[in-house]
Amino acid sequence: GAVVSQHPSRVICKSGTSVKIECRSLDFQATTMFWYRQFPKQSLMLMATSNEGSKATYEQGVEKDKFLINHASLTLSTLTVTSAHPEDSSFYICSARPHTERIAKNIQYFGAGTRLSVL
Amino acid sequence: GQQVMQIPQYQHVQEGEDFTTYCNSSTTLSNIQWYKQRPGGHPVFLIQLVKSGEVKKQKRLTFQFGEAKKNSSLHITATQTTDVGTYFCAGRDSGGSNYKLTFGKGTLLTVNP
Repeated sequence: GAVVSQHPSRVICKSGTSVKIECRSLDFQATTMFWYRQFPKQSLMLMATSNEGSKATYEQGVEKDKFLINHASLTLSTLTVTSAHPEDSSFYICSARPHTERIAKNIQYFGAGTRLSVL
Repeated sequence: GQQVMQIPQYQHVQEGEDFTTYCNSSTTLSNIQWYKQRPGGHPVFLIQLVKSGEVKKQKRLTFQFGEAKKNSSLHITATQTTDVGTYFCAGRDSGGSNYKLTFGKGTLLTVNP
């Protein structure tokens, strides 16, 4: 199967601090990783698309300086929420699109999500 | 930009009843995918439809892709309590790049035992 590990699963932090979330594809290489934000009982809103070795592409309205994305390898992408504020509290989910033909390339495999609470 | 609309937003059924959720895109899609998210969980891939008019079945679940590749449906026959969750459709625009998916708002299915 295709497993995506996301860490941490939950984080509580003080306002003004930065939080880093990791997304790892465990048994496949990911050409592209996606970062979503989900509010309670709502849909997934794409924040940004990251490709290994290049700058992330941010969706309209998403501040790139606030949500720093690094995709350093084909198995790891990180999202850093800088100077977090209470309005940044949300459920952040990453997904990864496989690089290999061994598993379907068009499908996104999701991590378990990170619930961020900013006090 | 591309919009994907999904209805209904909520559906409550008695166990054993059927359930259908519908998805419509503002643009032609290259493919459509369906995901299920259990309460408190993360989206899990169910299926991908690529061809115009395609119909696929997974046990009690039937997925359809419209002839114009702008709409899709998921039908569950004889629902069970294990079917509870939010079902999302997600479409990839035929003119899009980078395999970006646009998700519908989802349909939350609850099943009364």
